[in-house]
Amino acid sequence: EAQVTQNPRYLITVTGKKLTVTCSQNMNHEYMSWYRQDPGLGLRQIYYSMNVEATDKGDVPEGYKVSRKEKRNFPLILESPSPNQTSLYFCASSFDGHEQYFGPGTRLTVT
Amino acid sequence: GEDVEQSLFLSVREGDSSVINCTYTDSSSTYLYWYKQEPGAGLQLLTYIFSNMDMKQDQRLTVLLNKKDKHLSLRIADTQTGDSAIYFCAVKTGTASKLTFGTGTRLQVTL
Repeated sequence: EAQVTQNPRYLITVTGKKLTVTCSQNMNHEYMSWYRQDPGLGLRQIYYSMNVEATDKGDVPEGYKVSRKEKRNFPLILESPSPNQTSLYFCASSFDGHEQYFGPGTRLTVT
Repeated sequence: GEDVEQSLFLSVREGDSSVINCTYTDSSSTYLYWYKQEPGAGLQLLTYIFSNMDMKQDQRLTVLLNKKDKHLSLRIADTQTGDSAIYFCAVKTGTASKLTFGTGTRLQVTL
């Protein structure tokens, strides 16, 4: 089954404790993105990747890092999480940057 | 950067038509999308329109684009309770994987 998977689905952590949210797709897609969804703000793009070893900042990259060492994986790294990074995070992938397939989301709470 | 606006809430009766509106600011936008998000789920692409089109119809869905006013709408005919969800407008400008989303419109369908 073609899908985008994210882990974990739910995470509660404390300020400053490094964490990684994994994203994997099995569709051989070139493009992958990370978004955060906050009430009243919709989805905002954090980072995107056009291919392996090619990443670029989206609208809200501060406090986040990404890497794309393999085509199928695009982890999101929070080196020192803060409470303002409490949000619902979505990973998405696309063959040509056109139709995006979204993962189920990761709800992160930073206390 | 691009700014995409939507109203937050719409309530319609089952069987009526729903019209969800979206405005954007960047006239160089290429593709415009409508996504649906059901509770606890990721986003699902409903339909899209290329910027050189005025209208696109896909079963119960009709997308209208007014480029002069930078206004996009989604009409759902014969709205059903299963259509209750949050609908996001998204606009692609510039790089292949850069999408800007609106804040989302929550559609409530009443009996």
